Amino acid sequence: NIVMTQSPKSMSISVGDRVTMNCRASRNVYNNIAWYQQKPGKSPKVLIYLASNRYTGVPDRFTGSGSGTDYTLTINSVQAEDAAFYYCQRIYISPRTFGGGTKLELK
Amino acid sequence: QIQLVQSGPELKKPGESVKISCEASGYSFTDYAMNWVKQAPGNGLKWMGWINTQTGKPTYGDDFTQRFVFSLETSANTTYLQINNLNIEDTATYFCTRSQGYFDFWGPGTMVTVSS
Repeated sequence: NIVMTQSPKSMSISVGDRVTMNCRASRNVYNNIAWYQQKPGKSPKVLIYLASNRYTGVPDRFTGSGSGTDYTLTINSVQAEDAAFYYCQRIYISPRTFGGGTKLELK
Repeated sequence: QIQLVQSGPELKKPGESVKISCEASGYSFTDYAMNWVKQAPGNGLKWMGWINTQTGKPTYGDDFTQRFVFSLETSANTTYLQINNLNIEDTATYFCTRSQGYFDFWGPGTMVTVSS
């Protein structure tokens, strides 16, 4: 089965910084990837689908990119409210495997 | 507005069963599949599988084929997750989530604690 590997596992960033996190699939997922944000005690929220499509209402500082096996979520000018866990997921095709997550902390 | 309302927290003993509900509102229930996602304490998200809300056919992830049952009550716009023969490793929050390929709406989660 496909494995989704996220890196780094955690990062500590200052407000206003630009952050990039990565998701690598064990084989080509043909842009069938989504990114989610989860804050402690809350349900995840979708940010990006099909690698680069921003979901309704998601601020434009969130950008998804990539192709093949390698995908990236970029947050430009990080805000305090962006402190959260971020997960990538293979979508549309089962198994809809999640990556292990990246924890974003604010300094 | 679209909502997924899940049943409340459960405390169970090893070997018991639990049935969690997820009631959908604000959209046509049978137009979207429903998925279940497990999150153990301090851990990430794990996809458990999904149920076709038109046919009732469930599909289980590899780690959820033995003791897990997805079911529907279409007249009540409700999906159920039943876990049989509970063990300590089943302690987790379980989310239902609507999918249109990606998971666009999520329930608040149901915490299941298994303890002797």
